Amino acid sequence: DMKVTQMPRYLIKRMGENVLLECGQDMSHETMYWYRQDPGLGLQLIYISYDVDSNSEGDIPKGYRVSRKKREHFSLILDSAKTNQTSVYFCASSSSTPSGNTLYFGEGSRLIVV
Amino acid sequence: AQKVTQTQTSISVMEKTTVTMDCVYETQDSSYFLFWYKQTASGEIVFLIRQDSYKKENATVGHYSLNFQKPKSSIGLIITATQIEDSAVYFCAMREGNNYAQGLTFGLGTRVSVFP
Repeated sequence: DMKVTQMPRYLIKRMGENVLLECGQDMSHETMYWYRQDPGLGLQLIYISYDVDSNSEGDIPKGYRVSRKKREHFSLILDSAKTNQTSVYFCASSSSTPSGNTLYFGEGSRLIVV
Repeated sequence: AQKVTQTQTSISVMEKTTVTMDCVYETQDSSYFLFWYKQTASGEIVFLIRQDSYKKENATVGHYSLNFQKPKSSIGLIITATQIEDSAVYFCAMREGNNYAQGLTFGLGTRVSVFP
């Protein structure tokens, strides 16, 4: 069963608190991604991971860090969350084939920072 | 740098008709991949269909098909025999063949509303 699972689905945090968003996939995909989605800005790439402990910044990495210790898990960490990090966060995964990568998305995690 | 533009913000259609939505892209690469995704009301993002730049035939999957016009840098999505459950936001996305590290670049989406 091809599935990307995100936890938690909804989260409310106070400004300055740490946030951990977790993502798992059961497709043995090498590559995983974190995007955020905001009205008017669309989906923006935060980080990409090519495999365990092989991560690269995306377009908007500031304020975020990631961890990938197992191929099937990819975490997004916000140290000292800010109100402008209120957003919907999507994890995705894809296989590393030369013919191009179709991304498969999780259900999203809605984060509100107050 | 790659860029994806969807100029139609919303489209309304009657059920069982055909809807067409536009997408234009910018890239310097001769090899690239184009995708369409659907985001449902629940927020779920679902992959629909893809077109590889080197393929001349338009991709078709179920009642989704593409109108790939390479000279115009255009990749339109066509949904035939629309159903109420086709109501969603549709995103066009692109990956440059030589830019594997950057994931997909998405357009801002077109909201489709299908009415009975």
